[in-house]
Formats: sequence, C-alpha cells, structure tokens
Amino acid sequence: GNSVTQMEGPVTLSEEAFLTINCTYTATGYPSLFWYVQYPGEGLQLLLKATKADDKGSNKGFEATYRKETTSFHLEKGSVQVSDSAVYFCALSGTGGGNKLTFGTGTQLKVEL
Amino acid sequence: NAGVTQTPKFQVLKTGQSMTLQCAQDMNHNSMYWYRQDPGMGLRLIYYSASEGTTDKGEVPNGYNVSRLNKREFSLRLESAAPSQTSVYFCASSEFRGALNTEAFFGQGTRLTVV
Repeated sequence: GNSVTQMEGPVTLSEEAFLTINCTYTATGYPSLFWYVQYPGEGLQLLLKATKADDKGSNKGFEATYRKETTSFHLEKGSVQVSDSAVYFCALSGTGGGNKLTFGTGTQLKVEL
Repeated sequence: NAGVTQTPKFQVLKTGQSMTLQCAQDMNHNSMYWYRQDPGMGLRLIYYSASEGTTDKGEVPNGYNVSRLNKREFSLRLESAAPSQTSVYFCASSEFRGALNTEAFFGQGTRLTVV
C-alpha cells in the first residue's frame, strides 16, 4: 500500500535559517504529492503540491520538487520566520478510490528569534 | 466562505456513550473524508465517501460508522465510545477529477476526550 515517511521533529531553527524537511514515499502508479501545514489549534491547509515527476510546487517561499527516481518530495525554505512555526505534513494521493490522502507523521517546526 | 464546517469543536464523553460528529462543506465537492489525528501518528483515514451515496472504510474504521446524508454532509458516529478513541477528528472534502488529484480542504477539527 501507499506510505509516507518524513523526518521526525521537533525541528528548532533560528529566524532566517535554511529549512529542509525530508519526505519519501512508497506508492503504486503516479501519485500526486502535497505538503500541508497545521498552525496551532487549526485544521490542515495546503501549502504546495506537485502532480507529476519533476514538478516543483512553491508557495510563501517554500518549495518542493517531485523526484520520482528517489521517491522524494523534500520541503525547503531559504529563510524561515517565526510565523512559520507549525506542524508540516507530507502526503500523497494515489490513483483511484476517491482521492484519499496518505499522510506522514508530521514534523513540528519551531522558529526562534 | 465557510469551506468545511465541523461540529462540535470540543466534546467529552464517558466510556460507552455515543455521539455523532457533523461535517458540512459548501464547495460542491464529491468526495468527503474523516481522519483522526494522534500524536506521532499523523492523520489516519477512518472512512471516506468518494461520491454521494457511497462510503468505504479507511485505515482505522473499527468502532465508527458514517453516513453520507447528501452531497454536503458527512457524519461520523461513535456508537460506544472507548478511551482509545480520544483524538482530534478532522473532516475534509475534495474534488476528484479523474487522474488529477486535487487538494483536500479540512475543517477546524473536533477534539474528543473519552473518559
């Protein structure tokens, strides 16, 4: 079946530091890949997505590239801010069966001044 | 601009009690989902409804039932709550367009504690 593995947290960074959160996946066929973000006390919201190999998703300074050869979708940001503190989830959506998402366990990011 | 609305936001139940979590979306999406979120385990799919009139089990369906009341509404029922069902529950909806997997929109969550 489908699965997503992402790096464990929590990750603590200083403001303006470079961020990488690793994500690898196992899936049949050609899944779509997503990064969702969850701010404290809120539901998940889509951060970025990529629907085919070599696509790069980007939003709010975050980027991730769909690498089929390494089955990876690592999240990066060049300079984090305190307001980026949240939990980040990598997810995939496989083909067929109602578009359901398979999530990684989430990585908590804390950015300090 | 409500998106996905869940009720209630918080609930405390005694072991053995029953309750229904309500979810409604106003985006005309065909597919709806119920997830639970537990520390260290990410989100796990309980049940989903690919379209109105259909429901299917997800990864962790035991102890739950669902009803797709109409295209807008998808409820989750706990018939006899157990402490292991203490969790945060999220409803989501999405539009599945053939091979193109679109994003899911999530509600704010229901924090359920079973004592």
